Amino acid sequence: GDSVTQMEGPVTLSEEAFLTINCTYTATGYPSLFWYVQYPGEGLQLLLKATKADDKGSNKGFEATYRKETTSFHLEKGSVQVSDSAVYFCALSTSNTGKLIFGQGTTLQVKP
Amino acid sequence: GAGVSQSPSNKVTEKGKDVELRCDPISGHTALYWYRQSLGQGLEFLIYFQGNSAPDKSGLPSDRFSAERTGGSVSTLTIQRTQQEDSAVYLCASSLANRNQPQHFGDGTRLSIL
Repeated sequence: GDSVTQMEGPVTLSEEAFLTINCTYTATGYPSLFWYVQYPGEGLQLLLKATKADDKGSNKGFEATYRKETTSFHLEKGSVQVSDSAVYFCALSTSNTGKLIFGQGTTLQVKP
Repeated sequence: GAGVSQSPSNKVTEKGKDVELRCDPISGHTALYWYRQSLGQGLEFLIYFQGNSAPDKSGLPSDRFSAERTGGSVSTLTIQRTQQEDSAVYLCASSLANRNQPQHFGDGTRLSIL
């Protein structure tokens, strides 16, 4: 079945460091890809998305490019801040229903 | 504006009891989803409602789980004869009717089975 694999955390970085969180997927259809973020004490919220190959989703300085040839959707940010500390989930949707299949989540901790 | 509202925020109950969880989606959102977030299984899809169509129940883990959505708005997830492995955070999300639309999540109900 369809699945998403994320790099295991926690990831600990200093402020202004470069961030990469790897995400790869397996899908029988042509998926839409998403990154969701869960800040401490808050609900899950969409960070960015891409719906077709080579699309780049971006938001709040984060970017991810839909790579069909490598079935990947890695999340990157050039300079992280303490406020980026959160749990990040990669997800896909292939069904017409839009139901999401999530990766296990990666905890990011940014230290000042 | 109002987001997705879930109640209760926390529920503690004894094994074997029935529980009912409530979700109030964003007004105008025709799609509604239930997910479960647990330590061992991560985030899992449970059930999906869209308008008057038959729900997609493919994620429900057993026949002890059921859900309904009345009048195309509020939804309730019912777990009968709860077991300890049902302990998790139950999340509800709603969206406009298109699979690429973002899903808006509630804060969840944390369910603990003693």
